[in-house]
Amino acid sequence: DAGVIQSPRHEVTEMGQEVTLRCKPISGHNSLFWYRQTMMRGLELLIYFNNNVPIDDSGMPEDRFSAKMPNASFSTLKIQPSEPRDSAVYFCASSLPSGETQYFGPGTRLLVL
Amino acid sequence: AQKVTQAQTEISVVEKEDVTLDCVYETRDTTYYLFWYKQPPSGELVFLIRRNSFDEQNEISGRYSWNFQKSTSSFNFTITASQVVDSAVYFCALGANAGGTSYGKLTFGQGTILTVHP
Repeated sequence: DAGVIQSPRHEVTEMGQEVTLRCKPISGHNSLFWYRQTMMRGLELLIYFNNNVPIDDSGMPEDRFSAKMPNASFSTLKIQPSEPRDSAVYFCASSLPSGETQYFGPGTRLLVL
Repeated sequence: AQKVTQAQTEISVVEKEDVTLDCVYETRDTTYYLFWYKQPPSGELVFLIRRNSFDEQNEISGRYSWNFQKSTSSFNFTITASQVVDSAVYFCALGANAGGTSYGKLTFGQGTILTVHP
């Protein structure tokens, strides 16, 4: 079975540009999570969805970040405008109903110059 | 608030040694979940084990074993006869209700870097 799919795997962009990260969860999973990993802050939960509905976005850093889940098989995390401090690895994860194991995608390594 | 502490920042061992990674957690919830994930140099996060707060039975899986003790809020992970391929960052994580209706929020520890030398 396919795991969580993320694209792109690497993204290099210039400050001020819009960045869109994409995620396809494991089929049948109805919870989806976006995490950010940095050396300074470790792994942080940004937002998560249950049945395509955002449940908790308290981890989203600021208004420059937005996430959507238009259907059960696709989610996006958008940064507009991007800043150098947004450079990090962004992981998407999915699970069955909350409390179940979260399975992570390979991550998107973002570098904002 | 939920908190996970992995006091060992880095551990270095020689192949075939046993190594234990420590994890201490804090939560006010009576029902919660504990996880260990492995992040090898390639960067992906690999699920290793999940434990429910009401299941304190410890587990052995091949060279891996886990020791869950609610009395001390600890969920330690042991690798027996370590191998070079075990070199990775290991994360302990806590999934708790946090007073809400969902256990979806995972709180991760800072990770322990394990290096196994040949």
